[in-house]
Amino acid sequence: TQLLEQSPQFLSIQEGENLTVYCNSSSVFSSLQWYRQEPGEGPVLLVTVVTGGEVKKLKRLTFQFGDARKDSSLHITAAQPGDTGLYLCAVFGGATNKLIFGTGTLLAVQP
Amino acid sequence: EAGVAQSPRYKIIEKRQSVAFWCNPISGHATLYWYQQILGQGPKLLIQFQNNGVVDDSQLPKDRFSAERLKGVDSTLKIQPAKLEDSAVYLCASSLGDFYTDTQYFGPGTRLTVL
Repeated sequence: TQLLEQSPQFLSIQEGENLTVYCNSSSVFSSLQWYRQEPGEGPVLLVTVVTGGEVKKLKRLTFQFGDARKDSSLHITAAQPGDTGLYLCAVFGGATNKLIFGTGTLLAVQP
Repeated sequence: EAGVAQSPRYKIIEKRQSVAFWCNPISGHATLYWYQQILGQGPKLLIQFQNNGVVDDSQLPKDRFSAERLKGVDSTLKIQPAKLEDSAVYLCASSLGDFYTDTQYFGPGTRLTVL
């Protein structure tokens, strides 16, 4: 059983479209992170959300942490080919607070 | 500032062979991580070092995987013998301090194919 379920698994859209990806769990977390992983590279941290209901914006990306701190969403406005990549949510968990990643959403933005 | 370096970038081996991966973290980073990322999944922590010591190796298959971090800098991850299911990208990451929320910086990974 995955601690963090992401949806959709795959998403292929045209340049200029908007999209939302989701990260869901039945557990409550003190914080949640979003990463983007481009082909052939390691994940890069985009944002950390820590407060229930928190909204953070990073240019065309909007991140929201659910009120109950069990879920999160990432909305991209006017997607560009440079947004292509694997989007991963992650939380700290376990006895040593290790980073636990979700299943990922693979996004392809066609020009 | 140089990022996390990993080598080789790609490796193809036959099952039951041995393989080793090398990681050089960002200078001054105390904590080093090895992750396994199977195609279509998120990375999974294999082992975490803080300086020379192991913090977490609970998900490392110790019958075939080993890792060391000599002098608290570079690290190597070895698989002996490899199985088909070890085909994955092996990512190394480092963070500055010892607090778990310190930002982790990832290297480009080594893609391993076991035939």
